[in-house]
Amino acid sequence: DAKTTQPPSMDCAEGRAANLPCNHSTISGNEYVYWYRQIHSQGPQYIIHGLKNNETNEMASLIITEDRKSSTLILPHATLRDTAVYYCIVRGYTNAGKSTFGDGTTLTVKP
Amino acid sequence: NAGVTQTPKFQVLKTGQSMTLQCAQDMNHNSMYWYRQDPGMGLRLIYYSASEGTTDKGEVPNGYNVSRLNKREFSLRLESAAPSQTSVYFCASSGGTGLLLFYEQYFGPGTRLTVT
Repeated sequence: DAKTTQPPSMDCAEGRAANLPCNHSTISGNEYVYWYRQIHSQGPQYIIHGLKNNETNEMASLIITEDRKSSTLILPHATLRDTAVYYCIVRGYTNAGKSTFGDGTTLTVKP
Repeated sequence: NAGVTQTPKFQVLKTGQSMTLQCAQDMNHNSMYWYRQDPGMGLRLIYYSASEGTTDKGEVPNGYNVSRLNKREFSLRLESAAPSQTSVYFCASSGGTGLLLFYEQYFGPGTRLTVT
């Protein structure tokens, strides 16, 4: 199953765009890329997902490279409330049972 | 809508005791999941249920059993608690199925379990 690699931590200035990278070089054709975040000790929150096209919703944008081996989550105007651990997960139907979140990236938005 | 609710919020057990963690969702979701999160680590899937009447093992199922009681409820049982099971347990539900089984999961507030 595809594994992901994320930097352990990143900082971002309030009001600026936060760009969180994720490498998933072993992704297979039917696997989606999902992003979740976890604020403090709450349950994770779904952000966005994509297969091969770029996606945008009210929270964020997801840019997936053409070869699908990496992606970037973009928070266009980060606020202090976006400080959280961000998880990039790659999953398809056949390996849904192995849905470990990994260690994620701790994003700290600074004033 | 209450979303996903979990009971209890906190629990302390002695080694060897048993208990059941309860989870319910009111979003008419087909899929439900149980995760555990150890301090400083990401979530690991224990069991999941892709539809009412079915359950499947996740990555760390040993020491646990589950019951999908109906479409709304999915319980997790520890038959003989061990200190290694000290963790925060999250239940989640999702409307995703098939290739999108992992889609847009909604998580409960968690149960903080300590086994001494």
